Order: sequence, then structure tokens, then C-alpha cells
Amino acid sequence: DQQVKQNSPSLSVQEGRISILNCDYTNSMFDYFLWYKKYPAEGPTFLISISSIKDKNEDGRFTVFLNKSAKHLSLHIVPSQPGDSAVYFCAVYSGAGSYQLTFGKGTKLSVIP
Amino acid sequence: GAVVSQHPSWVICKSGTSVKIECRSLDFQATTMFWYRQFPKQSLMLMATSNEGSKATYEQGVEKDKFLINHASLTLSTLTVTSAHPEDSSFYICSAHYYGYTFGSGTRLTVV
Repeated sequence: DQQVKQNSPSLSVQEGRISILNCDYTNSMFDYFLWYKKYPAEGPTFLISISSIKDKNEDGRFTVFLNKSAKHLSLHIVPSQPGDSAVYFCAVYSGAGSYQLTFGKGTKLSVIP
Repeated sequence: GAVVSQHPSWVICKSGTSVKIECRSLDFQATTMFWYRQFPKQSLMLMATSNEGSKATYEQGVEKDKFLINHASLTLSTLTVTSAHPEDSSFYICSAHYYGYTFGSGTRLTVV
């Protein structure tokens, strides 16, 4: 049973518009949430994270929102740029655990010039 | 920032042979490293947690005799795929936690 779900396998967005990537989790024990960007044949690159004590974290064009009651987080990219085209993974872990990350299946974002 | 170096980036081997993948923390000491595997269009699946100086902890369904993990020093963990078969072909990624997670660049293994 998937503990982390990214229900959209792909997303296409026009350059300059907002990209919204969604992620749902099932275990309320998770208290750290991360987003990674990944290109083919490369390791994931950290983008942004949020802990369960916050509901929003912003870093430049990237903002992550956390809705604990809904067990849902989202990544907003605005404005989207062609270089943002990649696969985005959300990942979660429990700070009281062993730092093991659990990943979603990823969403492939394509930003169209 | 923390850097994790993974080698080789790709390898092709014959069925029945063994392949070793190295994961090094370049500017920090990592008592724990993680090994992931990714199938095409799938998530990164944790295979095992590598602990310096002790046995690795394997996830359910991962054969420990097939995927040998050695973490002999604070900066090096190795994953050896023994008696490789075509179904072991995959993308393997290591990571370490040091004020956040850092991932290696991954290894594309193709078994022919």
C-alpha cells in the first residue's frame, strides 16, 4: 500500500504560468516533507522542504504548502521555466524514525516555451 | 554543501557476474547511508540502510545475499549485486543524511 501518492504522472504547463504538483500521504506520523527534482539517469536534487509545524515554506520561485488535516502537500512553481522540466518527487519521513525517506512515484513536469 | 559521490555512473555486465557500486561522502562522515532502486517510471524504492561498522538493514523483499552492502568506513558504502541477472537491471542511487539528504548521481546497471 502506497504511503505517498502523486496521482498525476505528468503535467504540462506553459512557460511563465504556475505549475502545481500535488502529493498525498497516509501516515500522520510523517513530519518532514521534501520535494526533489530529478533528470533522467541522475540522482535527485533537493528543492525545498517543510516540517509539520509549518503550513508554508517559500524559496524563490518554489513554494511548498502543507495541509496536515488533509495529509496533502503541494509544490508551486511560479513562473515556470523550460528548465524546470523534470520529474518531481515528493518524499516524507518521520523525525522520530530512522531518517528513511519514502518517495512518491513522481510527476513529470513539462514546461512548454 | 555535503556531496555524495557515486561510481560508476553506468555499467554493463554479463549475467552471472557481480558488480560493485561505490558511494562516498566527500566532505562529511556518514554513519548511515541509504540505497535506493528505481525502475522506469517508478518511485525510488528503499532497498537497505547501510550502517557503518555493522550489518545493513534490508527492506522487506530485498535479498540480502544478492545485494551485499558493506559500510567499512565513515565515508564509503558499497553495494555489490552478486550473480546479476537481467531483472536486476535498474537505476541504483545512494544517499546520506547530513543536515538534510544528499543523493549520489546514480548508477545505471544493465545486465545482458
